[in-house]
Amino acid sequence: AQTVTQSQPEMSVQEAETVTLSCTYDTSENNYYLFWYKQPPSRQMILVIRQEAYKQQNATENRFSVNFQKAAKSFSLKISDSQLGDTAMYFCAFTPQGGSEKLVFGKGTKLTVNP
Amino acid sequence: SQTIHQWPATLVQPVGSPLSLECTVEGTSNPNLYWYRQAAGRGLQLLFYSVGIGQISSEVPQNLSASRPQDRQFILSSKKLLLSDSGFYLCAWRVQMNTEAFFGQGTRLTVV
Repeated sequence: AQTVTQSQPEMSVQEAETVTLSCTYDTSENNYYLFWYKQPPSRQMILVIRQEAYKQQNATENRFSVNFQKAAKSFSLKISDSQLGDTAMYFCAFTPQGGSEKLVFGKGTKLTVNP
Repeated sequence: SQTIHQWPATLVQPVGSPLSLECTVEGTSNPNLYWYRQAAGRGLQLLFYSVGIGQISSEVPQNLSASRPQDRQFILSSKKLLLSDSGFYLCAWRVQMNTEAFFGQGTRLTVV
């Protein structure tokens, strides 16, 4: 069964600093997709970044970037120049490519950006 | 543009009562649909997903069931609610497995 593990229940960072959220996953698939979602206090889920497993290049979206290590099954999110608006729950998610449309989430990391 | 509607936003139900939460999507055809539960502000537990009308995959055996009577309608039901069914329920849709999932506003269910 595919599982997603986020080992950091809570993290905090000072405004303007950099923070890295970790995510590992377990799968026997070779091709799949990985996502990071953000859930602010409003509880609206927002896509932050996505990564295709067949791409070696790490995805980047403005201040957000990932470190994708396929062999280690690791998919960490780096937030640079943290802003107060980055305070939210962050969820790592995984979809196997092999015929299943499942979208499985980790338990989340609560990130607080301090002024 | 595509939109997703989920209702009600808040629901308080007594133990043993039935449940029906509805989710509809507009502006797209044959979406993949999902029901998640988020307990106590924590992780999203995948409950059900559907790739087409009448096709339901259950991820967690429990007191809940799901149905997809129309292409863009997804319903979460229970015949008799338990206290443990309390939580925040989210409906989501997406077009393909490699694309972004869009979420509804959620339903906060409290079973008393």
